[in-house]
Amino acid sequence: QSALTQPRSVSGSPGQSVTISCTGTSSDVGGYNYVSWYQQHPGKAPKLMIYDVSERPSGVPDRFSGSKSGNTASLTISGLQAEDEADYYCCSYAGSYTFFGGGTKLTVL
Amino acid sequence: QVQLVQSGAEVKKPGASLKVSCKASGYAVTAYYMHWVRQAPGQGLEWMGIIIPSRGTTTYEQKFQGRVTMTRDTSTNTVYMELSSLRSEDTAVYYCARARYGGNQIDLWGQGTLVTVSS
Repeated sequence: QSALTQPRSVSGSPGQSVTISCTGTSSDVGGYNYVSWYQQHPGKAPKLMIYDVSERPSGVPDRFSGSKSGNTASLTISGLQAEDEADYYCCSYAGSYTFFGGGTKLTVL
Repeated sequence: QVQLVQSGAEVKKPGASLKVSCKASGYAVTAYYMHWVRQAPGQGLEWMGIIIPSRGTTTYEQKFQGRVTMTRDTSTNTVYMELSSLRSEDTAVYYCARARYGGNQIDLWGQGTLVTVSS
């Protein structure tokens, strides 16, 4: 088993957009449209932000969007706000298993 | 209110076993699969395995094979994760997480249970 690859950190100023990538293989990210993204603030449980690559659960702002190309999925956050500063994790179905990315720390400058 | 309520923090000695509970509230635990995920201090999320509560069948990540057991009690709407032969590297927050969407995607997390392994 191997974790999905994410950048360790990204940053942006309020109002800007940032994109976080998540690279896997044809056995996970590339093989299924079952990529999800989670936001985690310090000391808190993760929160679902995107599922099925690009679907937003009720209550998640439309500033959050997801996409996929080949073996790489992406989370884009537009109109950055201070409260978006958190760790973000991608997750992919891989048949019987589930893989997480290593996590990306988003800093809002 | 739909939520997952986990048991409280624990301190264990190396070599001991651990059992964490996760009680589903607001829905039948048999309706959805349940993951167990852990997070060591300052580290990322690590998938441990999944249980199908309606059948009791499980799939474990290879790293934990032989040390982890996931079970359920449908009469109390609760799932359990037991980890044996604990070592210091098992110090982490352990989460149960409901898989509501296709591909076992997680939509709901428990509050987490901090487990400290120390002599």
